Amino acid sequence: DAGITQSPRHKVTETGTPVTLRCHQTENHRYMYWYRQDPGHGLRLIHYSYGVKDTDKGEVSDGYSVSRSKTEDFLLTLESATSSQTSVYFCAIRQGDYEKLFFGSGTQLSVL
Amino acid sequence: EDKVVQSPLSLVVHEGDTVTLNCSYEVTNFRSLLWYKQEKKAPTFLFMLTSSGIEKKSGRLSSILDKKELFSILNITATQTGDSAVYLCAVESGSARQLTFGSGTQLTVLP
Repeated sequence: DAGITQSPRHKVTETGTPVTLRCHQTENHRYMYWYRQDPGHGLRLIHYSYGVKDTDKGEVSDGYSVSRSKTEDFLLTLESATSSQTSVYFCAIRQGDYEKLFFGSGTQLSVL
Repeated sequence: EDKVVQSPLSLVVHEGDTVTLNCSYEVTNFRSLLWYKQEKKAPTFLFMLTSSGIEKKSGRLSSILDKKELFSILNITATQTGDSAVYLCAVESGSARQLTFGSGTQLTVLP
């Protein structure tokens, strides 16, 4: 599993509440990514990080923010959750500059 | 905007059949093309292709890239029920090597 842990695994929340998803890695990898997966859309990049405090937006970043204050943790925050953010969220890490991505087990988020 | 298109969207075959899955792409600053298999949870890596014309093989699965025509195919021979999954194609591009995914092909192998 390349040392990736996502938490929580499942979460149900209400519209308008803040939500934070955590991705934790144990192997000191530089690149970390957050994707969401929805039927008919495959996986879409939300934000990514290329080092501590270095982050950038992906294709679907509106409504999301991220933080990476230490190498091992990459946090995804929904400041005010909406029903359109109901999705499965995957964290991924890249093991080396020229290596493939490995994915965490995902977080199923439901916003009611 | 980078784009990856997979076809067919879904496919139903019987055990023992051979299948070919397609992936075409339009991206700037292409670096590589990857195939993933997704069953219930996280996508798992199958192949990474960077050069045209070189076939990658792993057991009954093989894949090839054509950088001139901007497509890749994934072949699965002698399919088994355990091959049932969504197969995802992704193209790596940009300085942060982010992946752009296609929508996937849902493969169902019947006994």
